[in-house]
Amino acid sequence: EVQLVQSGAEVKKPGESLKISCKGSGHNFTSYWIGWVRQMAGKGLEWMGIIYLGDSDTRYSPSFQGQVTISADKSISTAYLQWSSLKASDTAMYYCARSGYSYGLGPADYWGQGTLVTVSS
Amino acid sequence: EIVMTQSPVTLSVSPGERATLSCRASQSVSSNLAWYQQKPGQAPRLLIYGASTRATGIPARFSGSGSGTEFTLTISSLQSEDFAVYYCQQYNNWPFGGGTKVEIK
Repeated sequence: EVQLVQSGAEVKKPGESLKISCKGSGHNFTSYWIGWVRQMAGKGLEWMGIIYLGDSDTRYSPSFQGQVTISADKSISTAYLQWSSLKASDTAMYYCARSGYSYGLGPADYWGQGTLVTVSS
Repeated sequence: EIVMTQSPVTLSVSPGERATLSCRASQSVSSNLAWYQQKPGQAPRLLIYGASTRATGIPARFSGSGSGTEFTLTISSLQSEDFAVYYCQQYNNWPFGGGTKVEIK
C-alpha cells in the first residue's frame, strides 16, 4: 500500500528555523515527484513546490520561491520542506502529495496526513 | 504562471440534485486537469484526472469534462457524503483553483 507519512505538528517562534518531512513507503518513490501544498486556516490549497526524488530536480511556485527550501533524500524516499526564519504568516497545515505519473508531472494521487505548523511568540 | 479560477465560490444544493462546478484556466492546459474533494480535517482526495477519468474507487456519479481552458465537474445526484470543498488543479505545473464549497441547501 502506497503511503506518505509526514512528521508531527510543530510549534515554533518567529525567526526560528524548521524542517518537516514526508516519507514514502509501499512503492519505489525515486521515479516520482513529491509536491508540497500549504493550506492556511479556512483557506484553499496553495502549491508551494515540487521535487523529483530521483535527482532532486526542484520547481517552486513563484509565490514561494526564496521563502522555503525543498529537498529530498532518495535513499530513504523522503522529501523535506524547510524554513530558515519562520514568520507568523507561515502558520498553516502543510501537505505533501505524490505526483501520480512516473517521471512526469501528474495529478496528486496520494497525500500525506498533513503537518500543522504554528508560529507564535 | 497559469491561473486557475473556480466558480461559484459556494454552491447550495439539495441532496439528490445535480451539482455543476466550473474551472477555468488562464491559458490552455490541454486535458492536464484534476479535481479533488476535501472534507473538514482531511487531506484532499483525487477524484478526476485527465479532465474526465475517474480515479480508483470514485463513484460514477462524479464526472468531469472539458479541455483547453474550460472544465466542469458534475455530481449527478448529491449524496450526504459529497458536501465538501472541491478544487481543480492543472498539473503541467501544479497550481490549484480557489475551490468551490458545496453545501446543503
